[in-house]
Amino acid sequence: SAVISQKPSRDICQRGTSLTIQCQVDSQVTMMFWYRQQPGQSLTLIATANQGSEATYESGFVIDKFPISRPNLTFSTLTVSNMSPEDSSIYLCSASPNGAQYFGPGTRLLVL
Amino acid sequence: GQNIDQPTEMTATEGAIVQINCTYQTSGFNGLFWYQQHAGEAPTFLSYNVLDGLEEKGRFSSFLSRSKGYSYLLLKELQMKDSASYLCAVRSLLTGTASKLTFGTGTRLQVTL
Repeated sequence: SAVISQKPSRDICQRGTSLTIQCQVDSQVTMMFWYRQQPGQSLTLIATANQGSEATYESGFVIDKFPISRPNLTFSTLTVSNMSPEDSSIYLCSASPNGAQYFGPGTRLLVL
Repeated sequence: GQNIDQPTEMTATEGAIVQINCTYQTSGFNGLFWYQQHAGEAPTFLSYNVLDGLEEKGRFSSFLSRSKGYSYLLLKELQMKDSASYLCAVRSLLTGTASKLTFGTGTRLQVTL
């Protein structure tokens, strides 16, 4: 299994501001994934972050809104930019070190 | 595109057995995952099937038929703590070594006395 940690665990932010979420994996992984889970819904993939290249974004998500960094094989950040109340959600980091795919504890974001 | 279907809700009795089905349509299939998610928490990995057949892990088993695009999660000796959402997710290969995990909407299981 993999141990994945995220910071912050939760935050309350004002609209128009930005929040950067950090994700740390306890082993080196090629790909890290960022998901969003809105209230009462399932998980939606935002983007895939590969070390040494630009992130790949899913339909409906763009780099200007969700810039991602992947400076090494164990760490990634997701920024939620120019936030609006519609961005209130749980943001989850995920990695697949050995075939199975694991999730971090999530970051609960509330935008006022 | 991908399509993953699973029942929205199920109810079962403590001590019983429940089977949660998942059907999918995808290209580049590279594995099917089941996760458990309690309210307010992150998904917890339960099982991973990439070949046809049954994978057993304690009270939980998962079955896969790739030709039928079908999987089920079997929970035995149900306990109250098994009340949670169960998410079916399909991994598909993209280009090179890239892959993507797509989730179904989840099945909310309620275990009753």
